[in-house]
Amino acid sequence: EAQVTQNPRYLITVTGKKLTVTCSQNMNHEYMSWYRQDPGLGLRQIYYSMNVEVTDKGDVPEGYKVSRKEKRNFPLILESPSPNQTSLYFCASSDRVVWEQYFGPGTRLTVT
Amino acid sequence: SQQGEEDPQALSIQEGENATMNCSYKTSINNLQWYRQNSGRGLVHLILIRSNEREKHSGRLRVTLDTSKKSSSLLITASRAADTASYFCATPPFIQGAQKLVFGQGTRLTINP
Repeated sequence: EAQVTQNPRYLITVTGKKLTVTCSQNMNHEYMSWYRQDPGLGLRQIYYSMNVEVTDKGDVPEGYKVSRKEKRNFPLILESPSPNQTSLYFCASSDRVVWEQYFGPGTRLTVT
Repeated sequence: SQQGEEDPQALSIQEGENATMNCSYKTSINNLQWYRQNSGRGLVHLILIRSNEREKHSGRLRVTLDTSKKSSSLLITASRAADTASYFCATPPFIQGAQKLVFGQGTRLTINP
């Protein structure tokens, strides 16, 4: 089954404690991206990757890091989380022809 | 600013009625896509319309595209309670290798029983 998986689904952490949210897809997609969704602000792109070892900033990259060492994985790293990073995070992937996005189930992060 | 912008931001109708939501975009496109999001869940792809198409149907969904006005509409006929969700339009990059799929802010649709 074609899918994008994210882990964890829910996370409560404290300010400054490094965390990683994993994202994996099984569709051999070249394009992967991370979004955060906040009430009234819609979907905002954090980082995206056009292929292995190719990443670039989206609209709101501050405070986040990513890596793309393998085609299937695109982890999101928060080196020093802060309360303003409390949000719902989505990973998505697609090919680069049609660009139909497949979304993960989301990770709800709370930083206290 | 967002490439795709949905209108209205929120829509509330009675079950059985039709729901229409609109999307405007700014630049040339290869295709335009509509997605649905149930509360707190990931977006799900609904339908894609290519730039050389004017109308497309999928079940109770009807999408139109007017490239001269840079706008699209999504019509859901005979709405059901299960259609309650947020709906987003998205436009992929026109040029291969360009970077971003741009989502609008979404239309929140509520179907009242």
